[in-house]
Amino acid sequence: EAAVTQSPRNKVAVTGGKVTLSCNQTNNHNNMYWYRQDTGHGLRLIHYSYGAGSTEKGDIPDGYKASRPSQENFSLILELATPSQTSVYFCASGDVSGQGVSNERLFFGHGTKLSVL
Amino acid sequence: AQKVTQTQTSISVVEKTTVTMDCVYETRDSSYFLFWYKQTASGEIVFLIRQDSYKKENATVGHYSLNFQKPKSSIGLIITATQIEDSAVYFCAMREYNYAQGLTFGLGTRVSVFP
Repeated sequence: EAAVTQSPRNKVAVTGGKVTLSCNQTNNHNNMYWYRQDTGHGLRLIHYSYGAGSTEKGDIPDGYKASRPSQENFSLILELATPSQTSVYFCASGDVSGQGVSNERLFFGHGTKLSVL
Repeated sequence: AQKVTQTQTSISVVEKTTVTMDCVYETRDSSYFLFWYKQTASGEIVFLIRQDSYKKENATVGHYSLNFQKPKSSIGLIITATQIEDSAVYFCAMREYNYAQGLTFGLGTRVSVFP
């Protein structure tokens, strides 16, 4: 079974500080994603990546950067954290089953709860 | 643009009965993929089942099955013989065939299974 590990599990940050959320996957999936989950908004896509060295903007990229230095690792960076970025962040990797990216099932990490004070 | 709507916020059922939850979607694409994911109380999100738009047969996996009504842009999830462990939030999601980004999710339906 695919394994996606996020760190830290919980983070308290101060407004204006820099926050880095890390994600590691061990199943050699090309695609990785960062989502945030908020009550009333569900899961929303922030950034995604097709492989090492690539990052793409999702639906709500403002205030976030992403980095994919290797196949296994995908980071989400908040350069200047704000209270509105308080949320639960999920990393996921994609398992393509034959037809390309569209039908892939996602494997999610356990989430990082971020509080920005 | 893709849009996924789950109108049922919560459903309560008695153990060993069947629960059905609704999902409607919007897309301009003729080919797309529909998914259901489950989020447990611990926050873990797991894939349950997928329906490819070009397939007429409803997908079935274990005690999960889908009611795919393409003319109505509807993909319902049916859980038979429910167990206490089925208590969770269920998310419907979709992806258009040519859409490069990740999945678009609905807001979820919370299912509570009681003894």
